[in-house]
Amino acid sequence: DAGVIQSPRHEVTEMGQEVTLRCKPISGHNSLFWYRQTMMRGLELLIYFNNNVPIDDSGMPEDRFSAKMPNASFSTLKIQPSEPRDSAVYFCASRDRANTGELFFGEGSRLTVL
Amino acid sequence: SQQGEEDPQALSIQEGENATMNCSYKTSINNLQWYRQNSGRGLVHLILIRSNEREKHSGRLRVTLDTSKKSSSLLITASRAADTASYFCATAPPFYTGANSKLTFGKGITLSVRP
Repeated sequence: DAGVIQSPRHEVTEMGQEVTLRCKPISGHNSLFWYRQTMMRGLELLIYFNNNVPIDDSGMPEDRFSAKMPNASFSTLKIQPSEPRDSAVYFCASRDRANTGELFFGEGSRLTVL
Repeated sequence: SQQGEEDPQALSIQEGENATMNCSYKTSINNLQWYRQNSGRGLVHLILIRSNEREKHSGRLRVTLDTSKKSSSLLITASRAADTASYFCATAPPFYTGANSKLTFGKGITLSVRP
């Protein structure tokens, strides 16, 4: 199995630009999570989906952030417009319905907003 | 706010020694999990212990859970340089299902194992 695939691995952009991060979960997994990791705040859950439906987006910082999951094999996290304080590593993780709780993480997308 | 709080924040030991890391949490849990993160990589699941379990082993890993004290410990025996990484505890809420699947992570412990 290829594992959770995220793209891009690195992105450098300027303030005000739109950023789109992509995630392909493990085939057959029915839950998908977006986390953000910074030195200051650690790992924060932004949003998670179950069976492609957003369940809890209370961690999304503000309206500049949006996430979609149009089908079971693809999700996007969009930031528009981006700001320097959005600089972080964004992780996608997926979970199997039959599993008791283990999350499988992608390698992350490191975002730098100048 | 973070549910899990790891202790210590950083740990440096010699290869061959044992490493003990602690995690405390505030509210009831369904299970507690430990993850490892190598520099620049994603998190990798190590072990899960349920709220009705007290101890679990996996290879060189030993995890304990004390629900009365709301704490867990991760012991890595006979450490190796390759164990150098950050270690995170994560807690799952009492009714952990597909629709209630939040895992809350601590800020992590940085373990350095000197060759």
